[in-house]
Amino acid sequence: GENVEQHPSTLSVQEGDSAVIKCTYSDSASNYFPWYKQELGKRPQLIIDIRSNVGEKKDQRIAVTLNKTAKHFSLHITETQPEDSAVYFCAPLRGYGGSQGNLIFGKGTKLSVKP
Amino acid sequence: KAGVTQTPRYLIKTRGQQVTLSCSPISGHRSVSWYQQTPGQGLQFLFEYFSETQRNKGNFPGRFSGRQFSNSRSEMNVSTLELGDSALYLCASSLGESNGQFFGPGTRLTVL
Repeated sequence: GENVEQHPSTLSVQEGDSAVIKCTYSDSASNYFPWYKQELGKRPQLIIDIRSNVGEKKDQRIAVTLNKTAKHFSLHITETQPEDSAVYFCAPLRGYGGSQGNLIFGKGTKLSVKP
Repeated sequence: KAGVTQTPRYLIKTRGQQVTLSCSPISGHRSVSWYQQTPGQGLQFLFEYFSETQRNKGNFPGRFSGRQFSNSRSEMNVSTLELGDSALYLCASSLGESNGQFFGPGTRLTVL
């Protein structure tokens, strides 16, 4: 089955700095690569995703880059703000026949942004 | 569109009992997935239903089961509850393959 690893497990940055979280996966047939953000006491929320025919996608201060050859994708957050403090999860997927496939989430990265 | 809803939000049960949790997906979403979230284990995938069929299953015992109705609403059942089943149970809906998931607020289950 799919093996998903996230690094680092915790990350502490100063406000205004950049943060990068990496997700490695084992299933070379994975074709959809989302990142979710879960603030304390709240539900996970999809913040950005990328599909396997694209190498990079940007949305304001966040971006995702994909390296299919090396089987990893990364979340980049620039100009971090205290409200970026949360746990971030990756969940690479190999969907088929309409369904999502086995939904294996990484163990999460706790990001703390210090004012 | 209304978001994903889950009922009940909180539940207290005793060991050996069974419980049924309900999830109403976003209108038009045919995929519903269930997760168990605990502080030590992160988000653990239970199963996914798509068009009323269980399409994928995580590594949980048979005490955990589910179903999906023709309107895409889904229920999850846990029989013979154990203390270790205490967790936040999240459901998520999606349009399906290669689409993101939208999570409900969760049901907090406490087993005494």
